Amino acid sequence: EAQLLESGGGLVQPGGSLRLSCEASGFTFSSYNMNWVRQAPGKGLEWVSGIGGSDWTIYADSVKGRFTISRDNSRKTLYLQMNSLRADDTATYYCARKWSGGNTCGFDLWGQGALVTVSS
Amino acid sequence: EIVLTQSPATLSLSPGERATLSCRASQSVSTYLAWYQQKPGQAPRLLIYDASNRAPGIPARFSGSGSGTDFTLTISSLESEDFAVYYCQQRTNSIYTFGQGTKLEIK
Repeated sequence: EAQLLESGGGLVQPGGSLRLSCEASGFTFSSYNMNWVRQAPGKGLEWVSGIGGSDWTIYADSVKGRFTISRDNSRKTLYLQMNSLRADDTATYYCARKWSGGNTCGFDLWGQGALVTVSS
Repeated sequence: EIVLTQSPATLSLSPGERATLSCRASQSVSTYLAWYQQKPGQAPRLLIYDASNRAPGIPARFSGSGSGTDFTLTISSLESEDFAVYYCQQRTNSIYTFGQGTKLEIK
């Protein structure tokens, strides 16, 4: 069964850093584009960042220059390095797999989420 | 940035009724649109990809239609487990945005 499992969430002070991990199992991780999506408490979904199998990366304007997405295909793990954290980065962060390859829209596999709280 | 506007914000219906949810894009997204269902405390679940294709395991009562800027998610006959929040999502040049969500509640 395909699964994604996030870890690394927690409480961090404004201006601090945190790294999230997302371990994949049950599918060929290297073949899929992967993404991070976040959800502030009681709010809607916000796409954060994506990475391709060949390591191209892309970011939402709200995190560009502060967050870095990366992957280790040998470890089947996706990462999100978050620096210069602000209170409005407080959210549950989900990793999500893009449906199939090519020109499609849809994330067909999601992790359970990791809560990041930015507060002094 | 392409903005997705979902309507209505809240939809109150009874089990067995038909639900029609709308998603409008600020500019054409072709058919690069997906629909998700999210229940409290859970991750989103993909229902429809590329505007009209049901994801594996999704019941036939869920259907999607539309292209360009106007999209619809239809639930033909509501079941108790369908009451949740629904989001649309678009993809343009590998950048994604989500709509603000429609809450489908029991009347």
